[in-house]
Amino acid sequence: EVQLLESGGGLVQPGGSLRLSCAASGFTFSSYAMSWARQAPGKGLEWVSAIGGNGGSTYYADAVQGRFTISRDNSKNTLYLQMNSLRAEDTAIYYCAKHVALWFGQNTEYWGQGTLVTVSS
Amino acid sequence: HSALTQPASVSGSPGQSITISCTGTSSDVGGYNYVSWYQQHPGKAPKLMIYDVNSRPSGVPDRFSGSKSGNTASLTISGLHTEDEADYYCSSYTSSSTLVFGGGTKLTVL
Repeated sequence: EVQLLESGGGLVQPGGSLRLSCAASGFTFSSYAMSWARQAPGKGLEWVSAIGGNGGSTYYADAVQGRFTISRDNSKNTLYLQMNSLRAEDTAIYYCAKHVALWFGQNTEYWGQGTLVTVSS
Repeated sequence: HSALTQPASVSGSPGQSITISCTGTSSDVGGYNYVSWYQQHPGKAPKLMIYDVNSRPSGVPDRFSGSKSGNTASLTISGLHTEDEADYYCSSYTSSSTLVFGGGTKLTVL
């Protein structure tokens, strides 16, 4: 059974940093691209970033380019999102999601339950 | 890429059919067959309902179907059930090597 468990969310001040983790199990982690997406309170889904199966290719939404860094440790079956220079508009539930192939362009098929990030003073 | 355009809400009665549209551009929906649809119930994670425009994952009822014409994709739910009441989001790969979601559609089953 595929399981994705996000952690690392919390309250952070504007300009601060936070690192999210997503522990994966139930599949061969290194064989699949992974994404982070977010959902602000009461709003729609927004794709944030993706990484290829071997970690060599990374992709970002314009809204987070230069501030967020996606990475993965295939030996630990864990996905990360380093978030720097956080802004109030980054407040959201952050989900990790598994894609169906090494390349992220095709759909995601499993999502975690999310972790809440709140940026506020 | 701007968010794909979906109607804010649609409604139908049990047993009826509804269609949710998702309009993009030739740089996303129109340019690739990588359109997906997700169902999200309140407080829950999104669930994949349709991928590659018109394919259904195992376990998704065949009441759910997808299609595409030009820059607009559509999700049709036939024979509405009360449990279909949820938010629905479309998604597409883009020419900028990103993914983009629609703004979401709230389905009410009256």
